[in-house]
Amino acid sequence: QVTLKESGPVLVKPTETLTLTCTVSGFSLSNAGMAVSWIRQPPGKALEWLAHIFSSDDKSYSTSLKSRLTISKDTSKSQVVLTMTNMDPVDTATYYCARTSYAFWTGKGEAYYMDVWGKGTTVTVSS
Amino acid sequence: QSVLTQTPSASGTPGQRVTISCSGSTSNIGSNTVNWYQQVPGTAPKLLIYGNDQRPSGVPDRISGSKSGTSASLAISGLQSDDEADYYCAAWDDSLNGRVVFGGGTKLTVL
Repeated sequence: QVTLKESGPVLVKPTETLTLTCTVSGFSLSNAGMAVSWIRQPPGKALEWLAHIFSSDDKSYSTSLKSRLTISKDTSKSQVVLTMTNMDPVDTATYYCARTSYAFWTGKGEAYYMDVWGKGTTVTVSS
Repeated sequence: QSVLTQTPSASGTPGQRVTISCSGSTSNIGSNTVNWYQQVPGTAPKLLIYGNDQRPSGVPDRISGSKSGTSASLAISGLQSDDEADYYCAAWDDSLNGRVVFGGGTKLTVL
């Protein structure tokens, strides 16, 4: 059974750095073509993709948040870590990690899709 | 402001068929496949459709997806009360160098 679990602080102060950990089980972070993504959702708002890291260690970041984000993985611990610097109250949200899988079809192309999600962890930014 | 555009709300009565649309551009939907996620309030999103029209195991065949040009659609037939949820489309965007974009979400109400 594939599971992902987010962990981190519930409350951070403005300007502090947030560190979130996604611990996975049921699959390996070294599986070819696979990735782990981070997504967040402010209260009452839409999903926002933040970053992903592939088994190859390739990484991509949200254009608007790139300067504040760092994603990394520890395959031996089955963990993916996301750090976000200079936290602000607008960063208050539920943060999810999700396994990102790959499929390819001749004539149609390819798909990367988030097929298993963690339950999320709520982070509040307040002094 | 989301990169992919969705109608904020949709509704239907039990048994009806509803369609939720998602509009993008040549750099995202026009060039890449579309995924759909269902989110019941208070819970994590769930993958509903991937690769435009593929259903993961466990998703009933009354749920279908399609894509044409720079737009995609999610159709739910035989509407049930537990279909009431928020629905999000997503796609990769080539102009953003391999980044993922989501729609703003559509809240589906079963009347």
